[in-house]
Amino acid sequence: EAGVTQSPRYAVLQEGQAVSFWCDPISGHDTLYWYQQPRDQGPQLLVYFRDEAVIDNSQLPSDRFSAVRPKGTNSTLKIQSAKQGDTATYLCASSPGQGALEQYFGPGTRLTVL
Amino acid sequence: AQKVTQTQTSISVVEKTTVTMDCVYETRDSSYFLFWYKQTASGEIVFLIRQDSYKKENATVGHYSLNFQKPKSSIGLIITATQIEDSAVYFCAMREPSGSWQLIFGSGTQLTVMP
Repeated sequence: EAGVTQSPRYAVLQEGQAVSFWCDPISGHDTLYWYQQPRDQGPQLLVYFRDEAVIDNSQLPSDRFSAVRPKGTNSTLKIQSAKQGDTATYLCASSPGQGALEQYFGPGTRLTVL
Repeated sequence: AQKVTQTQTSISVVEKTTVTMDCVYETRDSSYFLFWYKQTASGEIVFLIRQDSYKKENATVGHYSLNFQKPKSSIGLIITATQIEDSAVYFCAMREPSGSWQLIFGSGTQLTVMP
């Protein structure tokens, strides 16, 4: 069974540029999570979906961050006008249902904003 | 509000010994779930072991076990017979109903296993 895949693995931007991250969850997993992990910190939830619906995006900086999962499978996280403070690893995780306890993480995208 | 705290920033041990990593948490729920994850140098995060708050028995998986002390809101991870490849960052995490079932992570403990 293939794990969670993410692309790109690395991104380097200048402040003000936009970037998109793509995630393909484990097949059959209806719940998908996006996390931000600053250097030397634990992951922090940004947003999560059940199928195509956003369940919780309260920690997503809505003015510059957006996330979609239009068909309930793959998902895209986009940052408009990136700032140096956005430098972090962006992790995608999936689970077979919101009630499932364990989450399975992808390899992450390491973003550097200069 | 829920909170997970790991005070040990880094630990070094000699291989084949036992190591314990500490974690304390804050919760207002009577039922909750505690997890330990491992993040390797490549960035991969892997689930290791889970403790359900209503279970009195400490969870054990392979050479990982937990020391669950509910009155102290503490969940320690014990790794026995450590190996070089156990070197990684270990995260404690919690999920609870009042936190919308979000997975809240601690700040992590860097474990280095030396030959």
